[in-house]
Amino acid sequence: DADVTQTPRNRITKTGKRIMLECSQTKGHDRMYWYRQDPGLGLRLIYYSFDVKDINKGEISDGYSVSRQAQAKFSLSLESAIPNQTALYFCATSDFSGTSGLNEQFFGPGTRLTVL
Amino acid sequence: GDSVTQMEGPVTLSEEAFLTINCTYTATGYPSLFWYVQYPGEGLQLLLKATKADDKGSNKGFEATYRKETTSFHLEKGSVQVSDSAVYFCALSNFGNEKLTFGTGTRLTIIP
Repeated sequence: DADVTQTPRNRITKTGKRIMLECSQTKGHDRMYWYRQDPGLGLRLIYYSFDVKDINKGEISDGYSVSRQAQAKFSLSLESAIPNQTALYFCATSDFSGTSGLNEQFFGPGTRLTVL
Repeated sequence: GDSVTQMEGPVTLSEEAFLTINCTYTATGYPSLFWYVQYPGEGLQLLLKATKADDKGSNKGFEATYRKETTSFHLEKGSVQVSDSAVYFCALSNFGNEKLTFGTGTRLTIIP
């Protein structure tokens, strides 16, 4: 079984609709992240959470919200989807990096979202 | 802020050719450096990493050396295979920042 799972894997929706993307992990990690990937732009961080009570905005949080329901679950919502939110969305997890600065992240398979 | 600049793609090579994908970074302090690979239809997975200057990360025939004097972490492989076709991302993580900063990715295609 995959350690980081995302649902749905593909979604097509219309402008103005509310959409929720879900992420679950079995790695036991405290830290979870949401990224979007666009051609030529790499991955950009939307939100991240270091534990259940800690939520932080990333570099492109406008138009998105998140919920950390449990250590293992981190959901991303688009309250009113717009076409420029069409992208590939990835969830990732990591463990505490301690003093080394090392922050290896483990990624889910991605959700391809199309907003018409 | 921290940033990563990597070689523009796409890159197309013949099987058994030598590969170099350039990566340079800007960061304060002493970041950790990573190469991630994304195979078609999949999420990113860690390919190799280095945590301090002059460290060499290696995996699956790929290598990259952390060069602080040139702020670089170039990815190399001596003889590529068709199965190496993927998108490669250079990234850094800085202590105290606790987040990964990615380059834009380089798409590599290997032809038989």
